Amino acid sequence: AQTVTQSQPEMSVQEAETVTLSCTYDTSENNYYLFWYKQPPSRQMILVIRQEAYKQQNATENRFSVNFQKAAKSFSLKISDSQLGDTAMYFCAFMKHNPPDSWGKLQFGAGTQVVVTP
Amino acid sequence: KAGVTQTPRYLIKTRGQQVTLSCSPISGHRSVSWYQQTPGQGLQFLFEYFSETQRNKGNFPGRFSGRQFSNSRSEMNVSTLELGDSALYLCASSFLAETYNEQFFGPGTRLTVL
Repeated sequence: AQTVTQSQPEMSVQEAETVTLSCTYDTSENNYYLFWYKQPPSRQMILVIRQEAYKQQNATENRFSVNFQKAAKSFSLKISDSQLGDTAMYFCAFMKHNPPDSWGKLQFGAGTQVVVTP
Repeated sequence: KAGVTQTPRYLIKTRGQQVTLSCSPISGHRSVSWYQQTPGQGLQFLFEYFSETQRNKGNFPGRFSGRQFSNSRSEMNVSTLELGDSALYLCASSFLAETYNEQFFGPGTRLTVL
């Protein structure tokens, strides 16, 4: 079974600063996907960034980037130039590549609350 | 394109009752997944439907069931409600879940069991 661990319950960052959220996972699979989702107070889950395990290059989406260390089973998210709208709960998630276990099933970490202050 | 919609948004029930939640996926999406979110257990996968067939299931008791209709709309049902079933229930749709496709989430249904 896979587990996803987020060890930081809450992180605070000032506007324009950078914050890094950590995520580790445990799996025996070789092919899988990793994600960071954002859940603001509205509770609407929004995909921030995605990484395929077979790709060595770290994914980047505007101010969001990841540091994917496959051997260490680590997947951290860096938010640069933080904005007030980044305040949200951030979830790290894992999905197997191979069906049928993979079909539609995301496994989430416990989440990290990010608070951006002026 | 309209997003994923869930109805109702809020529900209050009492123990022992049953409840049905509805999820309408994005037009053209055929896969619908359901998740339960609680403060204690976090986000947990319930089940996934594709073309009216349940293809994947999480570790929930048989009181939790679901179905999908030919138009891809999905419902989940919880029978004999318990206090611990109080949660935010999220559904997510994707275009084709045989390989990875992004899951788009609805706003959730907040269920309170008294």
